[in-house]
Amino acid sequence: QSVLTQPPSASGTPGQRVTISCSGSSSNIGNDNVYWYQQLPGTAPKLLIYNNNRRPSGVPDRFSGSKSGTSASLDISELQSEDEADYYCAAWDGSLRGYVFGAGTMVTVL
Amino acid sequence: EVQVVESGGGLVQPGGSLRLSCAPSGFIVSNYWMHWVRQAPGKGLVWVARMNKDGSRTDHADSVRGRFTISRDNAKNTLYLQMNSLRAEDAALYYCVRDFVGAEEVWGQGTLVTVSS
Repeated sequence: QSVLTQPPSASGTPGQRVTISCSGSSSNIGNDNVYWYQQLPGTAPKLLIYNNNRRPSGVPDRFSGSKSGTSASLDISELQSEDEADYYCAAWDGSLRGYVFGAGTMVTVL
Repeated sequence: EVQVVESGGGLVQPGGSLRLSCAPSGFIVSNYWMHWVRQAPGKGLVWVARMNKDGSRTDHADSVRGRFTISRDNAKNTLYLQMNSLRAEDAALYYCVRDFVGAEEVWGQGTLVTVSS
């Protein structure tokens, strides 16, 4: 199983807000930054959020990230059909001396 | 256009070896931290290894430590992943990533490794 824990699925209708959680421990999220990725079917992952809450150039501001203690979350406000994808959280784990990912959350737009 | 192109994947028997290559265009690998990330078919992402800018530091995931080695040839501007003692669970699409988790991140399209007898 994955070091970071995410719900396997989430869903919403267009325009709704969806929140994806990511739970870790003091060796990863509790002591380092959190990153979020979006992976559309058949494509390479794309960085959505880095350093907990920063968006790379070109990422819509509908996507936002936050972190508190050993947990983090990704918010997608105003859900759109093109947001249907797998979302992964990631963090550096000091005990494992490597980056770790969550198992991914599949977001479905109803 | 800035991109990375992976190559070297293929079918290998359990216990065998393979060397993956990552050739960038539009940038020099020694100017960035470079990483390998893999994804088994239908599964999630797994970070594999990284190398720092001056090549003095490498880190490998527990699952591959001692079997895989990340390296670089500055003259060829190419990143490598030497994979030895391959196991069935190493079968995956291997991505080369520039500046993983950074604002200048670039992913390739991946090269597929199949481990089967």
